[in-house]
Amino acid sequence: QKEVEQNSGPLSVPEGAIASLNCTYSDRGSQSFFWYRQYSGKSPELIMFIYSNGDKEDGRFTAQLNKASQYVSLLIRDSQPSDSATYLCALRNRKLIWGLGTSLAVNP
Amino acid sequence: DVKVTQSSRYLVKRTGEKVFLECVQDMDHENMFWYRQDPGLGLRLIYFSYDVKMKEKGDIPEGYSVSREKKERFSLILESASTNQTSMYLCASSLVQGVSYEQYFGPGTRLTVT
Repeated sequence: QKEVEQNSGPLSVPEGAIASLNCTYSDRGSQSFFWYRQYSGKSPELIMFIYSNGDKEDGRFTAQLNKASQYVSLLIRDSQPSDSATYLCALRNRKLIWGLGTSLAVNP
Repeated sequence: DVKVTQSSRYLVKRTGEKVFLECVQDMDHENMFWYRQDPGLGLRLIYFSYDVKMKEKGDIPEGYSVSREKKERFSLILESASTNQTSMYLCASSLVQGVSYEQYFGPGTRLTVT
């Protein structure tokens, strides 16, 4: 089992909808979790991180962490075409462990 | 804003050449990282450094070495480039700060070895 698993997608949503991206992990000792966005041909950029169970909101983005079930998710409200990118989930152990990413396409 | 810069955006080298990739960060971060990113394989850690002159192997160190003589600069060296080292190389830096561990990435160097 991979340490961090993401559905590769593509996930396709219409403009204005909520996009839901999920990530599961195997290491219960993981301390904090990160969501990065990567546009095609660009480097990853941090969207947000979360380390406590529950929800954390930042603008249109909400990260949700459930340590008992070992998953972390990212919700994007009012999705825009500019949100079309690959979303990478990462968790912190001694270093960051990365998922392969989910490709999101927001259709106008 | 954190700024991480890399010496080249695109680089073409021949098999067997020694290749240097340079990375500089301007935010006094302790940690610096070198990754390569390939389609279907994601981000793979090559080496990281948690202090000047300190380094630790990542998941795929074979064929690579690194140097960190100054806090702001982290160099990746391909001792003898091979075609299977054609990839996107990404440098990142981070603070060590509680549970946070955000990594900030440079723009990347797309290396082609022919």
